[in-house]
Amino acid sequence: EAQVTQNPRYLITVTGKKLTVTCSQNMNHEYMSWYRQDPGLGLRQIYYSMNVEVTDKGDVPEGYKVSRKEKRNFPLILESPSPNQTSLYFCASSLVGMNTEAFFGQGTRLTVV
Amino acid sequence: KQEVTQIPAALSVPEGENLVLNCSFTDSAIYNLQWFRQDPGKGLTSLLLIQSSQREQTSGRLNASLDKSSGRSTLYIAASQPGDSATYLCAVPTDKLIFGTGTRLQVFP
Repeated sequence: EAQVTQNPRYLITVTGKKLTVTCSQNMNHEYMSWYRQDPGLGLRQIYYSMNVEVTDKGDVPEGYKVSRKEKRNFPLILESPSPNQTSLYFCASSLVGMNTEAFFGQGTRLTVV
Repeated sequence: KQEVTQIPAALSVPEGENLVLNCSFTDSAIYNLQWFRQDPGKGLTSLLLIQSSQREQTSGRLNASLDKSSGRSTLYIAASQPGDSATYLCAVPTDKLIFGTGTRLQVFP
């Protein structure tokens, strides 16, 4: 089954403790991205990657890192999480760029206390 | 700058009704438009994608139309069911997806 898989689905952590949210897709998509969703602010893009070893900032990249060492994986790294990063996070992929159909993961609800 | 809005923001209807959800975008130079469904606290499920060259796209009880010149898309849901209750989002691509504000739909028995 074609899908985007995120882990974990739920995470509660403390301020400053590094964490990684994994994202993997099995559709051989070139384009992958991360969004966060907050009430009243909608979905905002954090980072995106056009292909392996190519990443770029989205609208809200501060406090986040990403890497794209393999085509299928695009982890989101929070080096020193803060409470304002409490949010619902989504990973997405599409075949080539955002002009092709986008598929989203099930989301990771992160709480930073 | 592309902006996407959706009306109504919320809709509550009895089961069986036919519904129309609206999506408007400010820049008509789009490649496509995608409709998603989101259940509370869950991921986005792609429903339909309409290419800029298409006028309509259908999947089961869902029909999406696109009028680029007027900057509008509609999602038509036929014979609504309680299982259709969710938030519906439209999105257009630039260097990222620009999402609309969403329509929260509740279908009651």
